[in-house]
Amino acid sequence: EAQVTQNPRYLITVTGKKLTVTCSQNMNHEYMSWYRQDPGLGLRQIYYSMNVEVTDKGDVPEGYKVSRKEKRNFPLILESPSPNQTSLYFCASSPFGTGGVEQYFGPGTRLTVT
Amino acid sequence: SQKIEQNSEALNIQEGKTATLTCNYTNYSPAYLQWYRQDPGRGPVFLLLIRENEKEKRKERLKVTFDTTLKQSLFHITASQPADSATYLCALVDSSYKLIFGSGTRLLVRP
Repeated sequence: EAQVTQNPRYLITVTGKKLTVTCSQNMNHEYMSWYRQDPGLGLRQIYYSMNVEVTDKGDVPEGYKVSRKEKRNFPLILESPSPNQTSLYFCASSPFGTGGVEQYFGPGTRLTVT
Repeated sequence: SQKIEQNSEALNIQEGKTATLTCNYTNYSPAYLQWYRQDPGRGPVFLLLIRENEKEKRKERLKVTFDTTLKQSLFHITASQPADSATYLCALVDSSYKLIFGSGTRLLVRP
């Protein structure tokens, strides 16, 4: 089944404890991205990747890191999480970029930082 | 400033009626506009895409219009069903090919 998977689905952690949220897609997509969703603010892009080893900042990249060593995986790293990073996170992929093509979203990761 | 706006109030309609959701944008000239459906606690699911040179797009009970003069897209669900209850997100592709999302409108279809 074609899909985007994320792990973990739920995570409660403490301020400053490094964490990684994994994202994997099995559709051979070139483009992958991370979003966070907060009430009233909609989905905001954190980082995106046009292809392997190519990543770029989205609208809200502060406090996050990403890497794209393989085409299928795009992990999101929080080196020192803070309470304002409590949010619902989505990974997405598409065959190429965003123009004229649908995005496939993962099921989401709900992160709470205390 | 650039904005993409959807009605934050829920739209509550009777089963069988047509639901119409609005997406307005300011200071963008999008080449594409997309609509997604999102159920509680789940990822958005793509529904329709419309290009700037298209006035209207249909898919089964769904219809999207795109008016670049009014800077508005309308999303219609005809013969609505309780299963259509969800939050609907519009998203536009800006000039740097970023996908910008609205905050969504919740639709409630009463049986």
